[in-house]
Amino acid sequence: AQTVTQSQPEMSVQEAETVTLSCTYDTSESDYYLFWYKQPPSRQMILVIRQEAYKQQNATENRFSVNFQKAAKSFSLKISDSQLGDAAMYFCASLRGSQGNLIFGKGTKLSVKP
Amino acid sequence: EAQVTQNPRYLITVTGKKLTVTCSQNMNHEYMSWYRQDPGLGLRQIYYSMNVEVTDKGDVPEGYKVSRKEKRNFPLILESPSPNQTSLYFCASSSIRRNYGYTFGSGTRLTVV
Repeated sequence: AQTVTQSQPEMSVQEAETVTLSCTYDTSESDYYLFWYKQPPSRQMILVIRQEAYKQQNATENRFSVNFQKAAKSFSLKISDSQLGDAAMYFCASLRGSQGNLIFGKGTKLSVKP
Repeated sequence: EAQVTQNPRYLITVTGKKLTVTCSQNMNHEYMSWYRQDPGLGLRQIYYSMNVEVTDKGDVPEGYKVSRKEKRNFPLILESPSPNQTSLYFCASSSIRRNYGYTFGSGTRLTVV
C-alpha cells in the first residue's frame, strides 16, 4: 500500500527566509508522481508543484522547488524568500502510476512571521 | 473558467437526516473523487468514479453513497448522517490520466449535531 508521511505538523519561518517541508513516501511502483498542495485559510486546495518519478531533475516553480531523493523516497518542498501569503497548510501527495488514486500526507501547517 | 463547483459551502444538520452534497465539473473530466479532511488525518478518499456509471470505494466509504449518472456530476449522499461524519469535504476531478493532479472544489464544511 502507498503511504505518505509528513513528520512536521507545524513549521515557522521568518518573512524573506527559506524553509523546507519534509515528506517521505512508500511505494513499490516504479512509475509514480508526487505533488505538493497548498491550502490557505480560504481552504481551497492549490497545486504548488509536481514531480515525475522517472525524471532525475528536481521540479521548480518560481520560489518553490523540491528535493527529490528517489532512493531515500524523500520529497521535500523548499520555499525561498518566504512571503506572508505562503502561510498555509501544505500537503504532500503521491499518485501510483498515471491512473492510481491520490494519497495524501497529514499536512504541515506553515506560519510566516513578519 | 475551468472549475469544480461544490454546494453547499456550509451545512449544519441533525443526526439521521438525509443530505446530499453536490459536485459538478466543467472540464469534461472522466475521473471524479470525494475526500474528507479531518485535523491531524489529512485528506482521505471516500469514493471515486472513473466514468459514468463506474464508481468504487476509497479508504473510508462507510456511511456514504455516490452516483455518477452524468459525466459532469458526482453527488455525495449521506443517508443517515452521524456526528462522526462532521468534517470538511472536497470533491475533485481529473482527466483519466491523473498524473497532472486533481482540480478541487472549494469544500463543504459539514456539521452533524
